[in-house]
Amino acid sequence: EVQLLESGGGLVQPGGSLRLSCVGSGFTSGNYAFTNYAMTWVRQAPGRGLEWVSIISGSGADTAYADSVKGRFIISRENSRNTVHLRMDSLRAEDTALYYCAKRSLHSGALDVWGQGTMVTVSS
Amino acid sequence: DIVMTQSPDSLAVSLGERATINCQSSQSVLYSPSNKNYLAWYQQKPGQPPKLLIYWASTRDFGVPDRFSGSGSGTEFTLTIDSLQAEDVAVYYCQQYYSTPCSFGQGTKLEIK
Repeated sequence: EVQLLESGGGLVQPGGSLRLSCVGSGFTSGNYAFTNYAMTWVRQAPGRGLEWVSIISGSGADTAYADSVKGRFIISRENSRNTVHLRMDSLRAEDTALYYCAKRSLHSGALDVWGQGTMVTVSS
Repeated sequence: DIVMTQSPDSLAVSLGERATINCQSSQSVLYSPSNKNYLAWYQQKPGQPPKLLIYWASTRDFGVPDRFSGSGSGTEFTLTIDSLQAEDVAVYYCQQYYSTPCSFGQGTKLEIK
């Protein structure tokens, strides 16, 4: 069973930086290796809905971002460690949210496995 | 960017009755070469991450009860929950994954009447 575990959240002052990580387990080899899967970050502000943040292709060559984070956040991955990162700079109060890591299904393209999330609070 | 709009924002349905949630996209999410709609539905219960219910607008994910069904094409979609159970209380989201940013609807909160 594939599982995802996020870490790296915490309290940071406005203008500060954080790096989130998401480690995947249960991936096998060949067609089901971690490197074959696009990975996504989705966030949820307290009491609010889901907001898509960023995606990275399996190889790491292709990335995309929500307009709200473009130029401030960078997504990357280390396939040798089954890990995806989200580097967040110039943080603002409105970035306060629970950040989920999710795996994109090879079959359908939908997000079929989600982590439990890591909380980021931006406050002075 | 594609904007996803759900209706209603909240819904109260009696146990055993049908719940219907609508989702509209500002552009078509039908991928013509495969004739598949790149539209998913997720269920989020309090304190839990979202769970994939339906992809390609109408295909249930593994283990999802058949009382959940999805329909629609192009820009108009519906999630139907037949014979509502107490454990179906949750917030439901649609999401398009046709193009980035892969936007979500604002969510529909489903409660028991």
